[in-house]
Amino acid sequence: DTGVSQDPRHKITKRGQNVTFRCDPISEHNRLYWYRQTLGQGPEFLTYFQNEAQLEKSRLLSDRFSAERPKGSFSTLEIQRTEQGDSAMYLCASSSPGPPRADTQYFGPGTRLTVL
Amino acid sequence: GQNIDQPTEMTATEGAIVQINCTYQTSGFNGLFWYQQHAGEAPTFLSYNVLDGLEEKGRFSSFLSRSKGYSYLLLKELQMKDSASYLCAVRDWPGRMDSSYKLIFGSGTRLLVRP
Repeated sequence: DTGVSQDPRHKITKRGQNVTFRCDPISEHNRLYWYRQTLGQGPEFLTYFQNEAQLEKSRLLSDRFSAERPKGSFSTLEIQRTEQGDSAMYLCASSSPGPPRADTQYFGPGTRLTVL
Repeated sequence: GQNIDQPTEMTATEGAIVQINCTYQTSGFNGLFWYQQHAGEAPTFLSYNVLDGLEEKGRFSSFLSRSKGYSYLLLKELQMKDSASYLCAVRDWPGRMDSSYKLIFGSGTRLLVRP
């Protein structure tokens, strides 16, 4: 068990470009979450996958954002036509199957996005 | 609405005890979490309360009062490495098995431990 991993750790892009981030959850964790964190704030929920199904999306997730988890393992988050307001840390978390009482989310190191 | 309040910053001395408070008003509640986050790093899980009372884990303890919408994190025998942000988060679960167990976070309390 190597923990949640994310790639890349840092991404600098120009406004208008598309970017894609990858998250590899802890093996056997069927629940996967994406959060966004800006400086001085706590993480904000973006979207949730249970296995390969995307079951919940936040209103923060505009049409420019899309997330996938094609085989129920790794997940990708794509941002199209990036804007400066997209600059943030994008965090992925995973948790194991089971009832809420047993659910603890473990976070990856995040991808820091800077849009110039 | 969802509202989680915690102090922005606190300072304490190495070896001392510090209590970080968190109050919450959320539409759903299914547990309260505390995470530690060092600058530029991922949040790491510290503690979890779903029932009223105190949970102790080594130098860290967390308390919950659901009727008051209140929690605190107690850190004892402070060490310099405890300088970090501490995030209070409420699990918002509407009760359906296909729903997420998403966390609603406060803005975090930045703790500075001085020698």
